Amino acid sequence: KAGVTQTPRYLIKTRGQQVTLSCSPISGHRSVSWYQQTPGQGLQFLFEYFSETQRNKGNFPGRFSGRQFSNSRSEMNVSTLELGDSALYLCASSFRTGDHEQYFGPGTRLTVT
Amino acid sequence: GESVGLHLPTLSVQEGDNSIINCAYSNSASDYFIWYKQESGKGPQFIIDIRSNMDKRQGQRVTVLLNKTVKHLSLQIAATQPGDSAVYFCAELEDFNKFYFGSGTKLNVKP
Repeated sequence: KAGVTQTPRYLIKTRGQQVTLSCSPISGHRSVSWYQQTPGQGLQFLFEYFSETQRNKGNFPGRFSGRQFSNSRSEMNVSTLELGDSALYLCASSFRTGDHEQYFGPGTRLTVT
Repeated sequence: GESVGLHLPTLSVQEGDNSIINCAYSNSASDYFIWYKQESGKGPQFIIDIRSNMDKRQGQRVTVLLNKTVKHLSLQIAATQPGDSAVYFCAELEDFNKFYFGSGTKLNVKP
């Protein structure tokens, strides 16, 4: 079956703009987690959605938000972009919340100029 | 491909040798750990996991060792192959469904 897909794969934005990233989980998976990956900080947990509800949240400012739709697809939004938001944004899906076997997508590379 | 870790420690091994990648974790209460492999341009891929009630777990060509006394994990890869070249991360379960990832080690396999 198809893996986790993320769109777009690459994105260039300007400081102050906002951006929306999309993640489609593996068919049948209902939990989606988002991570930010940078050379300096590594992989950091942003938030997790299950059944259209945010279940857990990492230590990121309110500029980072997300949502999940009834078909389990998820979007994350970053408003008022800063240079430091440049990163690889990864989503991971699992069958249900608390299921530790996560499958990662290839990521969206966001560059803020 | 994309660079996921410009400042990572690097381990270089000869093809066919065994590799040992180490990871120190922070929370003595963590009871579940995972090793991931990330190839250039791809997301992390699950390799093997271990619960805190175990000291060792073996998979296909991989073994994970857990030393709770010193909060240390290691991943051993037997007969390392060029396809094993990647960045390896350990992750500890910090909360119900939130993982804390280590900074990663880049493995270079020389033919």
